[in-house]
Amino acid sequence: NAGVTQTPKFQVLKTGQSMTLQCAQDMNHNSMYWYRQDPGMGLRLIYYSASEGTTDKGEVPNGYNVSRLNKREFSLRLESAAPSQTSVYFCASGNYGYTFGSGTRLTVV
Amino acid sequence: DAKTTQPTSMDCAEGRAANLPCNHSTISGNEYVYWYRQIHSQGPQYIIHGLKNNETNEMASLIITEDRKSSTLILPHATLRDTAVYYCIVRSPNNYGQNFVFGPGTRLSVLP
Repeated sequence: NAGVTQTPKFQVLKTGQSMTLQCAQDMNHNSMYWYRQDPGMGLRLIYYSASEGTTDKGEVPNGYNVSRLNKREFSLRLESAAPSQTSVYFCASGNYGYTFGSGTRLTVV
Repeated sequence: DAKTTQPTSMDCAEGRAANLPCNHSTISGNEYVYWYRQIHSQGPQYIIHGLKNNETNEMASLIITEDRKSSTLILPHATLRDTAVYYCIVRSPNNYGQNFVFGPGTRLSVLP
């Protein structure tokens, strides 16, 4: 099925560890996004990429880096994970109506 | 992007129409109204969007007032599977993400 694929679905990290969240879309969208959602709250934009080769900060970029590897793939990296980064991470793509992935549930202990 | 105001929660009887209101009194002329929903633990799902005319698709109808300061999402025959958080977002089509803000939304509970 066409859509946005995120990996992994679940991850537990120790404080200070690093990891990369992967996101790929097969809808030929120019724009891709990373959001985080904390319990009981709305989504907050971390980074976005309006087109291949460009990235920009969103509302909460501190502690994260991103790479737009090609038109299909947009990865999110945590260089030194902190407990405050425990959250559900959603990737999305689209210029007008967004399509979201199913999320990565990250716990930092 | 203009901010929106939605009720925190609503209930609806199964089989009845669910009418979810949204106020966006500071909307500007080129901003669209979007509706998404998020079923527990899943990624948000696009429902519908519009500029000034009423819109309808297979999921819902969107009614925008003539002054565009408010809108209503209508689920014509709500089912238990429509229980979700519904987000109303106002956004310019030229703003690629920086201000595409998902607020707390309205938690809709469809009751049997």
